[in-house]
Amino acid sequence: AQTVTQSQPEMSVQEAETVTLSCTYDTSENNYYLFWYKQPPSRQMILVIRQEAYKQQNATENRFSVNFQKAAKSFSLKISDSQLGDTAMYFCAFMVAIRDDKIIFGKGTRLHILP
Amino acid sequence: KAGVTQTPRYLIKTRGQQVTLSCSPISGHRSVSWYQQTPGQGLQFLFEYFSETQRNKGNFPGRFSGRQFSNSRSEMNVSTLELGDSALYLCASSWTGSTQTQYFGPGTRLLVL
Repeated sequence: AQTVTQSQPEMSVQEAETVTLSCTYDTSENNYYLFWYKQPPSRQMILVIRQEAYKQQNATENRFSVNFQKAAKSFSLKISDSQLGDTAMYFCAFMVAIRDDKIIFGKGTRLHILP
Repeated sequence: KAGVTQTPRYLIKTRGQQVTLSCSPISGHRSVSWYQQTPGQGLQFLFEYFSETQRNKGNFPGRFSGRQFSNSRSEMNVSTLELGDSALYLCASSWTGSTQTQYFGPGTRLLVL
């Protein structure tokens, strides 16, 4: 069974700083997808970034980037130049490619960006 | 393009009642997945529908059921409600499921008294 672990329940950083959210996962599959979703206080879940396991290059989306270490089964999210609007719950998520349409989520990290 | 919509947004029921929640996917999306979000258990997968067929199911009791219509709209039903069913129910849609990114709706907040 696949599991996703986020070891930081809550974090706070000052605006404009860089913050890294940790995520580890466990799977015996070789072909899968990893995601970071953001859920602001308004509750709408938004996709932040997606990584295909077969790609060695780390995905980036503007200020958001990941450090994907397949052998270590680690998938951290780095937010550069953090903004107040980044305040949200962040979920790391996993999905087996092709076979599954089920996303397995971590418990989440609540991120506070302080002015 | 309109996003995923869910109705109603808030719902209050009492134990033993049943409830039906609705989800309209993004236009053109044929896969709809449902998730339950609670503070204790986090986000848990309920089931996924594609072309009116349930393709995948999570570890929930039979009281939780769903269906999908020909226009890809989906409903989920919970019968004989329990206090523990109080949660935010999220619906997500994607083009075909599997390798496609899922886009989430705002959720339905269900409170069981």
